[in-house]
Amino acid sequence: GAGVSQSPSNKVTEKGKDVELRCDPISGHTALYWYRQSLGQGLEFLIYFQGNSAPDKSGLPSDRFSAERTGGSVSTLTIQRTQQEDSAVYLCASSFGRDGLLEDFGPGTRLTVT
Amino acid sequence: EDQVTQSPEALRLQEGESSSLNCSYTVSGLRGLFWYRQDPGKGPEFLFTLYSAGEEKEKERLKATLTKKESFLHITAPKPEDSATYLCAVLPAGSARQLTFGSGTQLTVLP
Repeated sequence: GAGVSQSPSNKVTEKGKDVELRCDPISGHTALYWYRQSLGQGLEFLIYFQGNSAPDKSGLPSDRFSAERTGGSVSTLTIQRTQQEDSAVYLCASSFGRDGLLEDFGPGTRLTVT
Repeated sequence: EDQVTQSPEALRLQEGESSSLNCSYTVSGLRGLFWYRQDPGKGPEFLFTLYSAGEEKEKERLKATLTKKESFLHITAPKPEDSATYLCAVLPAGSARQLTFGSGTQLTVLP
């Protein structure tokens, strides 16, 4: 079946502009995660959605970052007033939400802020 | 604070030369330890989950083991197609659902 998909695959933007990154999880998966991977770094947790519960936003690095998940499916990560340090690969993952087991990651969106 | 350290950062092997990758962790109670493989330009691909010390899991040329302080990913007779970055992550006990990742080991297997 279809895996987790993300769009766009690459995004180049100018410093100060807003960007939106999209994630389409696997159908039926109730949990959705966003992670950020900077060059040479491990994956950094950003935000977690589980069903209709309030999202865990504890990993968002600043108030310029926000995310929503509509209808328990598609999620959008928005970065306002982008900075050069926001350049990274943004990865989305989804699961059935059992014990944090994360088996399905998307291919990521590579964001470059110039 | 939960912490995961992977070593070495990079490893070059000749085809058929077995070796091990290390993942040391500090966590306030371990619910699970995960290994992933990541190819350039792609998202991580799930390999194994280990839940308790002494547990082992195998898949083709890979075997993962777990102790109370670290995990090893053993690669037996590697092939060039095993070249990738291998990531380790831990899920702490408690209500948190997010994984803490190490920075990975970049493995290159030369033909």
